[in-house]
Amino acid sequence: DGGITQSPKYLFRKEGQNVTLSCEQNLNHDAMYWYRQDPGQGLRLIYYSQIVNDFQKGDIAEGYSVSREKKESFPLTVTSAQKNPTAFYLCATRTSGGTDTQYFGPGTRLTVL
Amino acid sequence: SQQGEEDPQALSIQEGENATMNCSYKTSINNLQWYRQNSGRGLVHLILIRSNEREKHSGRLRVTLDTSKKSSSLLITASRAADTASYFCATPPQETSGSRLTFGEGTQLTVNP
Repeated sequence: DGGITQSPKYLFRKEGQNVTLSCEQNLNHDAMYWYRQDPGQGLRLIYYSQIVNDFQKGDIAEGYSVSREKKESFPLTVTSAQKNPTAFYLCATRTSGGTDTQYFGPGTRLTVL
Repeated sequence: SQQGEEDPQALSIQEGENATMNCSYKTSINNLQWYRQNSGRGLVHLILIRSNEREKHSGRLRVTLDTSKKSSSLLITASRAADTASYFCATPPQETSGSRLTFGEGTQLTVNP
């Protein structure tokens, strides 16, 4: 997990509220990713960004939004349009060039009450 | 469906035994990666095998890749209780290499002391 921080570790939200999950990295990596993981399941890609001020939708982008104003930061907003947001959210980074290896943060567990 | 699919979904063994997990994928790849996830934590990269390699070792890990069968296996020798975790294979499809990974559903390994 070193070099990538996600906050908060646990987050509780009432239905109808937007919430923003933080992801910060000091690895100087160009690419950043957001994944969603449901219990006992694999990872599904929400959004990714290969460079500052640019990002692409992943497989399950509906109800989520992101921004990439700084290389170090890639916040994810879970909007009220996301029908079932309770899940474990993982942020990852990858250096440009080299291999496709990704480095993961410790995750944020979001629970909608 | 997932690009990578692990088999079995769950595996329970005794300490000292070997654990073998399999991964199948659908499209052509440049490499295949294995990651480990301890409960409630982020993923940790274990090993990467390139499409022109057939076998790779790292400590107690042995990975094989059969591109003709589109499958890979991860062998953990002399398992320890600390190896208890979920293991995922991940692939960057050739046409999107360098941008995103697709993860399988994972194998939950339990090593009993």
